[in-house]
Amino acid sequence: NAGVTQTPKFRVLKTGQSMTLLCAQDMNHEYMYWYRQDPGMGLRLIHYSVGEGTTAKGEVPDGYNVSRLKKQNFLLGLESAAPSQTSVYFCASSLTWGLAAQETQYFGPGTRLLVL
Amino acid sequence: TQLLEQSPQFLSIQEGENLTVYCNSSSVFSSLQWYRQEPGEGPVLLVTVVTGGEVKKLKRLTFQFGDARKDSSLHITAAQPGDTGLYLCAGGDAGGTSYGKLTFGQGTILTVHP
Repeated sequence: NAGVTQTPKFRVLKTGQSMTLLCAQDMNHEYMYWYRQDPGMGLRLIHYSVGEGTTAKGEVPDGYNVSRLKKQNFLLGLESAAPSQTSVYFCASSLTWGLAAQETQYFGPGTRLLVL
Repeated sequence: TQLLEQSPQFLSIQEGENLTVYCNSSSVFSSLQWYRQEPGEGPVLLVTVVTGGEVKKLKRLTFQFGDARKDSSLHITAAQPGDTGLYLCAGGDAGGTSYGKLTFGQGTILTVHP
């Protein structure tokens, strides 16, 4: 099993450009998450999904959109990138929701995004 | 908004020394997780503690959840260079519409020198 994979690993964008980050998991997990990690701020939840076809806003959703058309994939889109979106983006998945059932979240290796 | 304050932010020690990382909040959490993250990789779960006062041991790592479920600590005995990494605590929401949402601390960067 590959676990959680993310593509691309690194990307440089100019302000105003758009891009899509792809997350894939092969563990048949229902729940998937997108986080951003910035120095000194830990991980912050952008959007999450509790199943195929569903998405919900997290802590910092502005400027991002997501889609979960297939259970194994969770896409994060930036329609018009801004320098404030320079960050490391992590995707995660879990069998159930967060810590409600003390389930582990499995993280991908991250995508490093630089917006100039 | 729930906040988790981790301290210290940076820790640089020699191999063989002991250390403690703290995770504090004014909010009550349903449970507390500790993650370790290495450069270029995603966080990996080390432990989950769910009961106030609970202590869990993982080899040389000891995790404790405060009695009031507002704080936690990670103690490493006889640190080794392989312990180097970013340590993150994450609290689970105690209730409300966001039950189960993880709130992460800022992280502690640990460097253990040979």
